[in-house]
Amino acid sequence: GAGVSQSPRYKVAKRGQDVALRCDPISGHVSLFWYQQALGQGPEFLTYFQNEAQLDKSGLPSDRFFAERPEGSVSTLKIQRTQQEDSAVYLCASSLGLNNEQFFGPGTRLTVL
Amino acid sequence: ILNVEQSPQSLHVQEGDSTNFTCSFPSSNFYALHWYRWETAKSPEALFVMTLNGDEKKKGRISATLNTKEGYSYLYIKGSQPEDSATYLCAFRSGGSNYKLTFGKGTLLTVNP
Repeated sequence: GAGVSQSPRYKVAKRGQDVALRCDPISGHVSLFWYQQALGQGPEFLTYFQNEAQLDKSGLPSDRFFAERPEGSVSTLKIQRTQQEDSAVYLCASSLGLNNEQFFGPGTRLTVL
Repeated sequence: ILNVEQSPQSLHVQEGDSTNFTCSFPSSNFYALHWYRWETAKSPEALFVMTLNGDEKKKGRISATLNTKEGYSYLYIKGSQPEDSATYLCAFRSGGSNYKLTFGKGTLLTVNP
C-alpha cells in the first residue's frame, strides 16, 4: 500500500531488553515524526526528522530512547533497557514537508513485562 | 506546556442519534487544529484541518467548527452509524513550533446498532 507502515505491530519485551521499532514512511515524504501514546493519554511528540537530519528530539523521555533515519527514508526508534513505563503505542507519521498534513501509521503496541 | 482538552472522554449512542464532542485549546499563538478518527488496529485517519476562525468543514455526515478567539472546536456527527465507532482525536498546532501536534486524550465513541 501507499500509506505509512510500521513493524512490528505488537511487541512484548521483558524489562531490561532492547527493542527496535521500524517506520516506513510514504515515498517522497521528507518529514518524519514519532509519537508515544501511553494508556489513557493522547499521543505525545517524541522526535522529528527532516530527511536524515534529526532536528528536534525534545520529546524523547530519556537517553534510553534513540531514533535514526540514516538514508532519509526508513526510521528506527530504539529503546534500550526497557522499563514498564515504556509500555505504550508508538506512532510514526510522515509528511511532504514541515507544515504539511501528517499521515500516520497504525502504530506499534509495546508491552514491557 | 500546551493544554488540549477533549470532552466527553467516552460516549455511547444509539444508531441514528446525532452527537457532538468538544476540543479546547490555547487561544493564543494559533496555527491549526486537526481532527482525526482512530479505529482500533488501524492508522489514525485525518478528518479535518482547520486554520481560520469561524471555519466550518463538512465530510459526509461529519462536520466541524472552529473558534480560535475562545479556543474551542466542535465535531458533529449526524445520524451516527456503528461504523462511526472510533476514538476521535483533536490536535493543536501552535505558531511557535508548528510542526508538532499536541493531542487531546480523545473521545471514544461507541454507536450501538
